[in-house]
Amino acid sequence: EAQVTQNPRYLITVTGKKLTVTCSQNMNHEYMSWYRQDPGLGLRQIYYSMNVEVTDKGDVPEGYKVSRKEKRNFPLILESPSPNQTSLYFCASSPGNSAGVLTFGAGSRLTVL
Amino acid sequence: GQQVMQIPQYQHVQEGEDFTTYCNSSTTLSNIQWYKQRPGGHPVFLIQLVKSGEVKKQKRLTFQFGEAKKNSSLHITATQTTDVGTYFCAGRNSGGYQKVTFGTGTKLQVIP
Repeated sequence: EAQVTQNPRYLITVTGKKLTVTCSQNMNHEYMSWYRQDPGLGLRQIYYSMNVEVTDKGDVPEGYKVSRKEKRNFPLILESPSPNQTSLYFCASSPGNSAGVLTFGAGSRLTVL
Repeated sequence: GQQVMQIPQYQHVQEGEDFTTYCNSSTTLSNIQWYKQRPGGHPVFLIQLVKSGEVKKQKRLTFQFGEAKKNSSLHITATQTTDVGTYFCAGRNSGGYQKVTFGTGTKLQVIP
């Protein structure tokens, strides 16, 4: 089944404790992206990648890092999480090297205490 | 930067009533997509509009793209409880093919 898989789905952590949210897709998509969803703000793009080793900042990149060493994986790294990063995170992918029709993962709900 | 606003933010309708959400961009778009997110779920692609003035229909859903390619609407005729969810528009900048900006979303509640 074609899908985008995120882990963990739920996480409660404390300020400053580094964490990684993994994202993997099995559709051979070139384009991958991370979004955060907050009430009243919709989906805001954090980082995106057009292909392996090609990443760029979205609208809200502060406090986040990404890497794209393999086509299928696009992890989101929070080096020193803070409470304002408490949010619902979605990974998405699309074919081609531009943002076409996006397939989303199930989401990762992160709480930073 | 590009901003995409949606109104209303929330809408409660009686089952069988119609519903419309509007999407407005601060810049001209190359295309616009619509997604639906069920409660507790993830956004799922509904449709993409590309041409100025384009109108597309999916059963009870009608999507329009404005003549100036800066606004769009989604209209649902005779809502059903299965229509409950948050509807997002997502606009791609005419100059930036890598970037899709999502609207703020409209949360629809249908009262049986």
